Amino acid sequence: DVQLTQSPSFLSASVGDRVTITCRTTRDISFYLAWYQQKPGKAPSLLISAASRLQSGVPSRFSGSGSGTEFTLTISSLQPEDFATYYCQQLNVFPITFGQGTRLDIK
Amino acid sequence: QVQLQESGPGLVKPSETLSLTCNVSGGSLSQYYWTWIRQSPEKGLEYIGYIYYSGSTNYNRSLRDRVTISLDRSKTQFSLRLGSVSAEDSAVYFCARYQPQPDAFDVWGHGIKVTVSS
Repeated sequence: DVQLTQSPSFLSASVGDRVTITCRTTRDISFYLAWYQQKPGKAPSLLISAASRLQSGVPSRFSGSGSGTEFTLTISSLQPEDFATYYCQQLNVFPITFGQGTRLDIK
Repeated sequence: QVQLQESGPGLVKPSETLSLTCNVSGGSLSQYYWTWIRQSPEKGLEYIGYIYYSGSTNYNRSLRDRVTISLDRSKTQFSLRLGSVSAEDSAVYFCARYQPQPDAFDVWGHGIKVTVSS
């Protein structure tokens, strides 16, 4: 199975900060990577697909980049509603797998 | 707007079969892949499998011997059956829709917590 490792696992930041989360995979998955946001008690919500394609309705402060084995999710200016847990997911190889998550807390 | 809603028992006894249904409202089953995912503190998010509207399936090899996903087109529902459950199968179970564009799981149910315990 393709393993996904996110870093950091925990991140403390302030409103207005720029933050970057990294997702590394154990094999080349081209650009078949998605990012999700999950808030407590809720289902994950799709932010970005195909490594960099912003889902309709997602604020432009979210962006994704990368290909191959290293990917990043950047939030350019944190808003209060962005404090959540973020997951990457690879869809290149079955079984589809997820990263362990990055919890983003308010400093 | 397509919405998904999981239903089923929240408590299952060890060695029995877990059965969940996902009701699809506001849209058709056609041309999409319908998936099950589960989430637990121990394993995180885990892909269980999908069924395509044509009926073809794909299962996570770690669960393949115990899992069946089926489709009921007349009711616009799809279902999950997981046999011989143990405490390790306790999790929140989500149904979700996958589509090739945007190549991601773009619609999710709210999730249903299932506990395996006697």
